[in-house]
Amino acid sequence: DAKTTQPPSMDCAEGRAANLPCNHSTISGNEYVYWYRQIHSQGPQYIIHGLKNNETNEMASLIITEDRKSSTLILPHATLRDTAVYYCMHASGGSNYKLTFGKGTLLTVNP
Amino acid sequence: GAGVSQSPRYKVAKRGQDVALRCDPISGHVSLFWYQQALGQGPEFLTYFQNEAQLDKSGLPSDRFFAERPEGSVSTLKIQRTQQEDSAVYLCASSAIWSLGNTIYFGEGSWLTVV
Repeated sequence: DAKTTQPPSMDCAEGRAANLPCNHSTISGNEYVYWYRQIHSQGPQYIIHGLKNNETNEMASLIITEDRKSSTLILPHATLRDTAVYYCMHASGGSNYKLTFGKGTLLTVNP
Repeated sequence: GAGVSQSPRYKVAKRGQDVALRCDPISGHVSLFWYQQALGQGPEFLTYFQNEAQLDKSGLPSDRFFAERPEGSVSTLKIQRTQQEDSAVYLCASSAIWSLGNTIYFGEGSWLTVV
C-alpha cells in the first residue's frame, strides 16, 4: 500500500495561510501526489494534484520537494469552511489507480 | 448529472438482511470506484471498474460483498446477509478515464447501519 505520513491535527487562524505537510517517501517516479479533503458527513472533495512541479488552482497551492518525498498543501487564506480532514495520497496498484487514504490531518480553522 | 449520485443516502438494515447500494457516476466517466469508510477512519478501497469490467476487487472484505456495473454506467454494490461490522459509509467515485493525473470525483456516500 502507498503510505503517507501526516500530522493528526493542526490549527489555523481564520484569514491566515494554512500549511499542511505530508511525507510520501515511498512515492515512485510516475506517481502523482493527490490532496483531498473531507468535511464532516460529506464525501471526499478533490483539491489538487501534482507530479513534480508546484501547482496552484483556485482552492490551494501544492509545493512538492525536489526529491518528491514530501509536499505541502497551502490554503492561502483559510476560512471557517476549510475546517475538514485533509488527506495526502499517491496512487498505487498496477495501473496506479488505487488511492490509499490514511488518517489525514484534521485542520481546525479558528475565528 | 453534475456529480456522482448515490442512493439511498441512509439505510438501516437488520442483521442478516441483504442491501443494495446504487451509484450513478458522472455522465461519460469510464472509471468507477467503491470505497468503504468506517467511523473515524479514512476511506478504504473496495473495487474498481473500467466500463463494465471489474478490474480489481481485491478490497472487498468477504464474499458477501458483490459489485456490478453491467452496462458500464450505473453500478450497484450488494451486501448479502449484513452483519454489524458492515456498518459504514460506502462511497462511490468516478473519473473520466483513470490514468496518472486524472481526478476522481466522490459522491456523498450511502450511510449503512446494521442493527
